Amino acid sequence: EAQVTQNPRYLITVTGKKLTVTCSQNMNHEYMSWYRQDPGLGLRQIYYSMNVEVTDKGDVPEGYKVSRKEKRNFPLILESPSPNQTSLYFCASRGVATRTDTQYFGPGTRLTVL
Amino acid sequence: AQSVTQLGSHVSVSEGALVLLRCNYSSSVPPYLFWYVQYPNQGLQLLLKYTSAATLVKGINGFEAEFKKSETSFHLTKPSAHMSDAAEYFCAVVPSGNTPLVFGKGTRLSVIA
Repeated sequence: EAQVTQNPRYLITVTGKKLTVTCSQNMNHEYMSWYRQDPGLGLRQIYYSMNVEVTDKGDVPEGYKVSRKEKRNFPLILESPSPNQTSLYFCASRGVATRTDTQYFGPGTRLTVL
Repeated sequence: AQSVTQLGSHVSVSEGALVLLRCNYSSSVPPYLFWYVQYPNQGLQLLLKYTSAATLVKGINGFEAEFKKSETSFHLTKPSAHMSDAAEYFCAVVPSGNTPLVFGKGTRLSVIA
């Protein structure tokens, strides 16, 4: 089954404690992306990657890091989380052969930073 | 820059009534447009997409959307709302092949019994 998986699904942590949210896709997609979703703000892109070892900033990259060492994985790293990073996070992937390729989303990770 | 605007952050309809969720786009190139749905506590899934093959696009769960270039719109409709349609709906545009999807802020649909 084609899918994007994220772990963990729920995470409560404290300010300053480094964390990583993993993302993996089994569709051999070149493109992967991280979004955060906040009430009234919709989905905002954090980082994206067009292929292995190629990453780029989205609209709200501050406080986040990513890496793309393998095609299937795209972890999101918060080196020193702060309360304003409390949010719902989604990973997504799609092929880039055409503009109409469907983007697939993971189930989301709800992060609370105390 | 390409963008989409969803009119109305919250729409409420009665069960059995018409659902109309509005999306307007701005694009300097022919747009490719998508509607995604997010059910409570779930990720986003594709409802339908416009690929220029036909202006009226049919999606899953009885939804459809019509691309109107003259109005720069891609509104989502469903003739008869069901309780299970209660969700958040996002319109999105792909500006070009290798650029990220640009999402609207979303419209939360409530269905009243």
